[in-house]
Amino acid sequence: AQTVTQSQPEMSVQEAETVTLSCTYDTSENNYYLFWYKQPPSRQMILVIRQEAYKQQNATENRFSVNFQKAAKSFSLKISDSQLGDTAMYFCAFMKREYGNKLVFGAGTILRVKS
Amino acid sequence: GAVVSQHPSWVICKSGTSVKIECRSLDFQATTMFWYRQFPKQSLMLMATSNEGSKATYEQGVEKDKFLINHASLTLSTLTVTSAHPEDSSFYICSANLPSTASYEQYFGPGTRLTVT
Repeated sequence: AQTVTQSQPEMSVQEAETVTLSCTYDTSENNYYLFWYKQPPSRQMILVIRQEAYKQQNATENRFSVNFQKAAKSFSLKISDSQLGDTAMYFCAFMKREYGNKLVFGAGTILRVKS
Repeated sequence: GAVVSQHPSWVICKSGTSVKIECRSLDFQATTMFWYRQFPKQSLMLMATSNEGSKATYEQGVEKDKFLINHASLTLSTLTVTSAHPEDSSFYICSANLPSTASYEQYFGPGTRLTVT
């Protein structure tokens, strides 16, 4: 079974600074998808960024980028120029389409952006 | 596009009663929907996968008779918590896939907070 580990329960960062959230996963599969979701206080799950395992290039979405290290099974999220609105719980998730598109979530990291 | 709604957003019920939560895909047809449960400051736990026109597939440890799932149409899945008890109080979230083999992204509803008194 696939597992996703987020080793940082809580983190804080000053506004405008950069922060990196860690995620490792365990799988014997070769083709899969990885995601970072954000859950703000409203509790609405929001997709931040996704990465297809077959793509070597790291995904980027504006201030959000990932460092995908397939061999190391690592998928970290970097948030640049942190904003107060980035305060949320962040979940790393794994998915393999042949497993019915089920998402396997990590435990989450609470990120607090301070002014 | 790809909006998922849930109703109600918050419900309070008495112990022993049943409560139904609806999950709707508003602008697309969802052949597959997922139901999650989330406790405060914890991760999402997948409860079951709901497929239109067939029985739901429950995850290990989830009581099928307590959490009844019905996916009667391509835009609606319902979760009924039967004979609710205070320990069933939680945040319930649904999500849906687009009905395309090329699409793998899940779209999440806003969640339903259930409080059993």
